[in-house]
Amino acid sequence: NAGVTQTPKFRVLKTGQSMTLLCAQDMNHEYMYWYRQDPGMGLRLIHYSVGEGTTAKGEVPDGYNVSRLKKQNFLLGLESAAPSQTSVYFCASSYSSRQGRSYNEQFFGPGTRLTVL
Amino acid sequence: AQKVTQAQTEISVVEKEDVTLDCVYETRDTTYYLFWYKQPPSGELVFLIRRNSFDEQNEISGRYSWNFQKSTSSFNFTITASQVVDSAVYFCALSGVWEGGATNKLIFGTGTLLAVQP
Repeated sequence: NAGVTQTPKFRVLKTGQSMTLLCAQDMNHEYMYWYRQDPGMGLRLIHYSVGEGTTAKGEVPDGYNVSRLKKQNFLLGLESAAPSQTSVYFCASSYSSRQGRSYNEQFFGPGTRLTVL
Repeated sequence: AQKVTQAQTEISVVEKEDVTLDCVYETRDTTYYLFWYKQPPSGELVFLIRRNSFDEQNEISGRYSWNFQKSTSSFNFTITASQVVDSAVYFCALSGVWEGGATNKLIFGTGTLLAVQP
């Protein structure tokens, strides 16, 4: 099993450009997440999804959009990149419990380092 | 409000020393989970442990041990006989529930950078 994979690993954008980050998981997880990691700030949740076709806002959603058209994929889009979006982006996934509540550990991808000039 | 505080920004030790990483949390939930993740220089996040709020037994796994104390809202992580390979950023995290009931929210601390010198 590949676990959680992210594409691309590195990207440099100019201000105003758009791009999509792809996350894929092969563990049949219901839940998927996008985080950004900035120095001294830990990981902050951008958006998350509790199932195919559903998405919700996290802690820092502005400037990002997401889609979960297939259970195994979770896409993060930047429509008009800004220098403040320079960061390392992590995708994660986790199981959901039968009761619909889950505190299972999240499995993380290797990250995408994005620089916006 | 839910919050995780890792007051130690950076720790430097010499190989074979024991080191404890502190984690203090705040939550109003009666049921919650605490986690530790490791982020080595290669960048990926590796899950280390999950502990639920009803289980205050200490956990030991090889050179790693965890001390959960509800009375002080702490979940500290000790590495015994540290090795260079332990050099990494370590994150403590707390589970939470999103508004509307969606689950599996994780609130991360800001991390502690551990440098183990040979």
